Amino acid sequence: NAGVTQTPKFRILKIGQSMTLQCTQDMNHNYMYWYRQDPGMGLKLIYYSVGAGITDKGEVPNGYNVSRSTTEDFPLRLELAAPSQTSVYFCASSGHQNTEAFFGQGTRLTVV
Amino acid sequence: GESVGLHLPTLSVQEGDNSIINCAYSNSASDYFIWYKQESGKGPQFIIDIRSNMDKRQGQRVTVLLNKTVKHLSLQIAATQPGDSAVYFCAENSKATDYKLSFGAGTTVTVRA
Repeated sequence: NAGVTQTPKFRILKIGQSMTLQCTQDMNHNYMYWYRQDPGMGLKLIYYSVGAGITDKGEVPNGYNVSRSTTEDFPLRLELAAPSQTSVYFCASSGHQNTEAFFGQGTRLTVV
Repeated sequence: GESVGLHLPTLSVQEGDNSIINCAYSNSASDYFIWYKQESGKGPQFIIDIRSNMDKRQGQRVTVLLNKTVKHLSLQIAATQPGDSAVYFCAENSKATDYKLSFGAGTTVTVRA
């Protein structure tokens, strides 16, 4: 039972570089989410998707893009990395009404 | 801004005592309130939820209380154990916002032996 799988676990980027954080789930969940968590803080929603082909902005979408071409995958793209994007990124998925979301292990990203 | 927030950022509890973690919310239209636990280096994990038309719900060693009059939510952990040391988040969602989860800042619970 893989659940939600995120890759990579760690990454260091230089300012201006681009990267894609991968997220896949094998629970056939319609809902998928990307959150960021700064040290000692709560989770801020970046983007979410209620199904394949549908994505919506969360609280902090600037500097990020997503796509949802399949039910399983929900990659997060950083086009021009900035130090303010240094954070831990969590992907999550859930079924309808979303009270029990399953989170991945997180990606720790540092932009220098 | 946040629709849920916690009263205290840290809580220290003696092993075996009961823990009470509090949370205030502002969205009267929330459909569900949810508690998550996050252990160090891991993603958050679902603990328990409560529908907005309920006052109380019990799980294994945990009880969630909802007071809609004062917009207050609490999580009670009975007989706190060392494994309960973690950061606890309250969250809410509503049909009006696609049921997306909105999290508060978190309370760090430390269990003293």
